[in-house]
Amino acid sequence: QKEVEQDPGPLSVPEGAIVSLNCTYSNSAFQYFMWYRQYSRKGPELLMYTYSSGNKEDGRFTAQVDKSSKYISLFIRDSQPSDSATYLCAAFGGSQGNLIFGKGTKLSVKP
Amino acid sequence: DGGITQSPKYLFRKEGQNVTLSCEQNLNHDAMYWYRQDPGQGLRLIYYSQIVNDFQKGDIAEGYSVSREKKESFPLTVTSAQKNPTAFYLCASTPAGNQPQHFGDGTRLSIL
Repeated sequence: QKEVEQDPGPLSVPEGAIVSLNCTYSNSAFQYFMWYRQYSRKGPELLMYTYSSGNKEDGRFTAQVDKSSKYISLFIRDSQPSDSATYLCAAFGGSQGNLIFGKGTKLSVKP
Repeated sequence: DGGITQSPKYLFRKEGQNVTLSCEQNLNHDAMYWYRQDPGQGLRLIYYSQIVNDFQKGDIAEGYSVSREKKESFPLTVTSAQKNPTAFYLCASTPAGNQPQHFGDGTRLSIL
């Protein structure tokens, strides 16, 4: 079993829809969780960074971590065509290990 | 502006040739990383360095080499021993501690 699992999609939604992107992880030592957005032919850009369980909101983006079920989510409200990209979840346990990435979910928001 | 600069953006390698990918950061970050990204495979760690003059192998180090002579520079050499080098290579850095990694815009390496 991979340490961080992510459905690769692709996921296609109409403009204005609420998008839910999800990952599961297997290592209970993971404490730090990230979401990156990657446009085609570009490097990943950090969107959200959370520690332990809970929610974090930044504009139209909300990151949610449920450590009891080892589940991490990213919600995008009022999705825009400019949100079309690949979204990567990532996790690590702090100073004990390296960052582990999911394979990414490709999102397309249609006008 | 602070950031991570990777060069070149595109690189072509001939059979039996070694090529070097450049990664420079002006963020004053201690740790630097090299990843390989293939379609459908996600990011895989090649090498990382926590401090100058020290580096460790990642999950797929075979056929690659690195050096860390300066804090701001972490070049990656793809050697002729790497039989399938075609991929998108990403460099990242982070300050010490439990901080997220920041990425450059990558180098796409192809075989001629």
